[in-house]
Amino acid sequence: DVKVTQSSRYLVKRTGEKVFLECVQDMDHENMFWYRQDPGLGLRLIYFSYDVKMKEKGDIPEGYSVSREKKERFSLILESASTNQTSMYLCASSLGGTGNTIYFGEGSWLTVV
Amino acid sequence: ELKVEQNPLFLSMQEGKNYTIYCNYSTTSDRLYWYRQDPGKSLESLFVLLSNGAVKQEGRLMASLDTKARLSTLHITAAVHDLSATYFCAGTGNQFYFGTGTSLTVIP
Repeated sequence: DVKVTQSSRYLVKRTGEKVFLECVQDMDHENMFWYRQDPGLGLRLIYFSYDVKMKEKGDIPEGYSVSREKKERFSLILESASTNQTSMYLCASSLGGTGNTIYFGEGSWLTVV
Repeated sequence: ELKVEQNPLFLSMQEGKNYTIYCNYSTTSDRLYWYRQDPGKSLESLFVLLSNGAVKQEGRLMASLDTKARLSTLHITAAVHDLSATYFCAGTGNQFYFGTGTSLTVIP
């Protein structure tokens, strides 16, 4: 089975802190994604990566950056956390190309106070 | 950009009843996915529909796709409590485009 592991399930950070959310997948998938999930808004794509060191902006990249130094690892960085970034963050991966099944991690609940 | 709309957003139904969740999308989608999310958990892929007229069934859930109407449905037959979850549909283009989800509660 595909496994996407997010290292932190629950985090509480202060406004202005730098936050790292880490994600690792074990199926040698080319594509990796970071989504944000908010009530009533569904899932919104922040960034995705189709290869090591490659990244593409999604629908809501402002206030976020990403890093993909190794194929299996995709990190989401909040340079200066703000309260409106309080949310559930979902990492996901899929085979290369478009339209292939996306496999999600368990999610990271981030609260910014 | 592909827009995906689901309705209803909230659904409360009694055990044993049938109901349908609707997923409309705005432009051509290569594939149509249905996902399930249990409270506090991640999303799990249920179905992928690849072509017009496609129908897939798993237990009490059946998904269908009408590409001409740009409509997919998720039909629930004789609901049971274990089906309580949030269901998302997603269309695909150069990325996945998710609907806002339908929160289903099955009442004994």
